[in-house]
Amino acid sequence: QSVLTQPPSVSAAPGQKVTISCSGSGSNIGNNYVSWYQHLPGTAPRVLLYDTDKRPSGIPGRFSGSKSGTSATLDITGLQTEDEADYYCGTWDTSLSAWVFGGGTKVTVL
Amino acid sequence: QVQVLQSGAEVRKPGASMKVSCRPSGYTFSHYDINWVRQASGQGLEWIGWVNPVSGNTVYGQKFQGRVSLTTNTPMNTAYLELRNLRSDDTAIYYCSTVRTGGGFYLDYWGPGTLVTVSS
Repeated sequence: QSVLTQPPSVSAAPGQKVTISCSGSGSNIGNNYVSWYQHLPGTAPRVLLYDTDKRPSGIPGRFSGSKSGTSATLDITGLQTEDEADYYCGTWDTSLSAWVFGGGTKVTVL
Repeated sequence: QVQVLQSGAEVRKPGASMKVSCRPSGYTFSHYDINWVRQASGQGLEWIGWVNPVSGNTVYGQKFQGRVSLTTNTPMNTAYLELRNLRSDDTAIYYCSTVRTGGGFYLDYWGPGTLVTVSS
């Protein structure tokens, strides 16, 4: 059971938008920045967003993030076939003194 | 350009220990903590802990307390994950990454992963 809750899967056609939610609590998302990771199993994960909504260099603008209260959201607009992967949210949990991940969301491009 | 290398695949018997290495390059090793995560087949990412290369201070996930050691060899620019008393459910791909700080922490440069198989 993950500390952060994500939907197991989302899907959309190419060019459409998907939204992935990440729900936590006051000890994690509510009081800390969130980051998002894209992972193709068997390859190195890569950070898509940090500090909730900042993109590292090289990450396309179709990836965006936001936070409200104890929930965070990753939006992927203009979905492309190469976006088919697993996506994880992560943040520091102050009460646990531990890094926590969401359970992951599989994005399928129809 | 930052690159992260990890040691090769391991096969261990239950009860044995594993030790995986992580060697980043392209930045000053002492500048960033090193983080460790694993993924078992069909499962999500699971946080193990992280280590500060300068102080040696560590933070461990509760699940691994008492069974894990994260260390660094700063002259060798290398970090190590040792997990003891292995069980079959420790079979996983183990990833290291750098820990960066913006407003908060995030896991920046990742290694390719090391497959550890625990089997009798």
